[in-house]
Amino acid sequence: DTVLTQSPALAVSPGERVTISCRASESVSTLMHWYQQKPGQQPTLLIYLASNLESGVPARFSGSGSGTDFTLTIDPVEADDTATYYCQQSWNDPTFGSGTKLEIK
Amino acid sequence: EIQLQESGPGLVKPSQSLSLTCSVTGYTITSGYDWSWIRKFPGNKMEWMGYISNSGSTNYNPSLKIRISITRDTSKNQFFLQLNSVTTEDTATYYCVRTTDYYYVMDAWGQGASVTVSS
Repeated sequence: DTVLTQSPALAVSPGERVTISCRASESVSTLMHWYQQKPGQQPTLLIYLASNLESGVPARFSGSGSGTDFTLTIDPVEADDTATYYCQQSWNDPTFGSGTKLEIK
Repeated sequence: EIQLQESGPGLVKPSQSLSLTCSVTGYTITSGYDWSWIRKFPGNKMEWMGYISNSGSTNYNPSLKIRISITRDTSKNQFFLQLNSVTTEDTATYYCVRTTDYYYVMDAWGQGASVTVSS
């Protein structure tokens, strides 16, 4: 299985720029996707294929990376962005990162 | 707009089978995409369990292969999860998910069904 390692929980203030990292145990090319899960809700797709913004997702969200290192950036962060963010690879059978819990101070 | 809704028992006894239904509205499951089951354990770990394709073929997580079955009823636009011989480690929230059939992007999720395995 491809193991995805995510950065630990983060706390930022509204208006700041935040980056959430995801490192894969092997190269997944650009087959990396990002999801947001707000408390009590189901996950929703934010970014697919490393850098493509899902329709309806605010342009404050962006993704980058290829190979083994990927980043989700939120700029500027808003209070509503409080959530857990997951990366998921699809180079082989899908696996997910452990999630990064984002707190807005 | 597509909507997916899970349904089924919230409590299952150890060694029994877990059965869930996903009802899909706003899209016909035979028109395209794969249709997956994902679960999220207490503590936030998420696991892809498997999918049934729009043509009816299946693909399962190897770690579950001997216990899992995903089937469908095209007349009702539903697909199903059966997980046999459950243990307390199968306690999780189970999501049905529309998955692109080429890049395995999970672009629409149900609200989730919480299932507890306990005697």
